[in-house]
Amino acid sequence: KQEVTQIPAALSVPEGENLVLNCSFTDSAIYNLQWFRQDPGKGLTSLLLIQSSQREQTSGRLNASLDKSSGRSTLYIAASQPGDSATYLCAAQDRDDKIIFGKGTRLHILP
Amino acid sequence: DTAVSQTPKYLVTQMGNDKSIKCEQNLGHDTMYWYKQDSKKFLKIMFSYNNKELIINETVPNRFSPKSPDKAHLNLHINSLELGDSAVYFCASSHEGETEAFFGQGTRLTVV
Repeated sequence: KQEVTQIPAALSVPEGENLVLNCSFTDSAIYNLQWFRQDPGKGLTSLLLIQSSQREQTSGRLNASLDKSSGRSTLYIAASQPGDSATYLCAAQDRDDKIIFGKGTRLHILP
Repeated sequence: DTAVSQTPKYLVTQMGNDKSIKCEQNLGHDTMYWYKQDSKKFLKIMFSYNNKELIINETVPNRFSPKSPDKAHLNLHINSLELGDSAVYFCASSHEGETEAFFGQGTRLTVV
């Protein structure tokens, strides 16, 4: 049974700093891994998706990496801004479409 | 004791048909969502319902209509299906204002 864990559960950093969010999964037989952003009262916004055959994806200030062998993914945010404050979730999807989410990291960027 | 359940898991239908996907949650949540996973595998929110009120409606064709008979159910109706509607649709639920959402297992819709 796939389990997805995110560390830390909460993180506060000053504006402008670079930061890393961690995600680990127990079953390496994933189809893809996705990172999402969620703002209070709103649904998920997809940030990056890494297929199982890929090692990383980049979008703007965001970079996500995937290491299937170790069951880990990281989301790197460069030059953080107050608007980055949100909850970030990672999710592993298997070939049967099932998506397992982590519990998220609540990120607060201090102005 | 499935938390969020969707039916059917797979749905194959012809263009022009009208179909529904059902979603039920037994978690006592007050907000339910529908997401579409497109060909690039990105999840995109379609609708959310909170206490029977539509609070998010992204740029979704009006052929798609969510219907919530009660807090535990949010069904997705699709009229005049098109080939481009083929995707995996996910239902989810959460408590209002909380970020943790529970997802169903997805419904893979194929329009032929």
